[in-house]
Amino acid sequence: GQQVMQIPQYQHVQEGEDFTTYCNSSTTLSNIQWYKQRPGGHPVFLIQLVKSGEVKKQKRLTFQFGEAKKNSSLHITATQTTDVGTYFCAGPSSGGSNYKLTFGKGTLLTVNP
Amino acid sequence: DVKVTQSSRYLVKRTGEKVFLECVQDMDHENMFWYRQDPGLGLRLIYFSYDVKMKEKGDIPEGYSVSREKKERFSLILESASTNQTSMYLCASSALAGAKDTQYFGPGTRLTVL
Repeated sequence: GQQVMQIPQYQHVQEGEDFTTYCNSSTTLSNIQWYKQRPGGHPVFLIQLVKSGEVKKQKRLTFQFGEAKKNSSLHITATQTTDVGTYFCAGPSSGGSNYKLTFGKGTLLTVNP
Repeated sequence: DVKVTQSSRYLVKRTGEKVFLECVQDMDHENMFWYRQDPGLGLRLIYFSYDVKMKEKGDIPEGYSVSREKKERFSLILESASTNQTSMYLCASSALAGAKDTQYFGPGTRLTVL
């Protein structure tokens, strides 16, 4: 079945350092979504990418969707302690119902102040 | 703002008990979802519903059932709870058909089965 892989699983950085998490799908995706889950919280939608090669920015966060629409990345510039949490990518599940999202296992970011 | 609420933040049950987890959304969303979240396994879809009284199995439906009698409410039922169902359960809803829409998550219910 479809797999959505995220690397790294964990990343610890010093405050002010940059951070990148990568998402790779075994199948071509029509779109990809990114969510953030703070410790003790629930996933919160960040952004959706739809077009091949698309790049979107939200302040210090930059999201990219690969040309082949099988991979994506989230880059945070100059991390802050408020960036701590787990970042998930998710794409439509291939085969069967088109309502389902397949989530990656997430990248847990910790930031040392 | 979309609000998705879940009936309990923490729940402790005994093996063999029937467990009901309730989820309510206030934005008239068509689609509702139940996930479980376990360390190292991420979010796994149990069941979802795209309309009242309609449901579809997700990736791990065994041991669970669901009910959607009203549009705003989606219930997850553990017919006979087992210790391997100890987990964080997250409900979500989305407005539009298809997997292109944002999912809004509730705060989660941490279920412990003893």
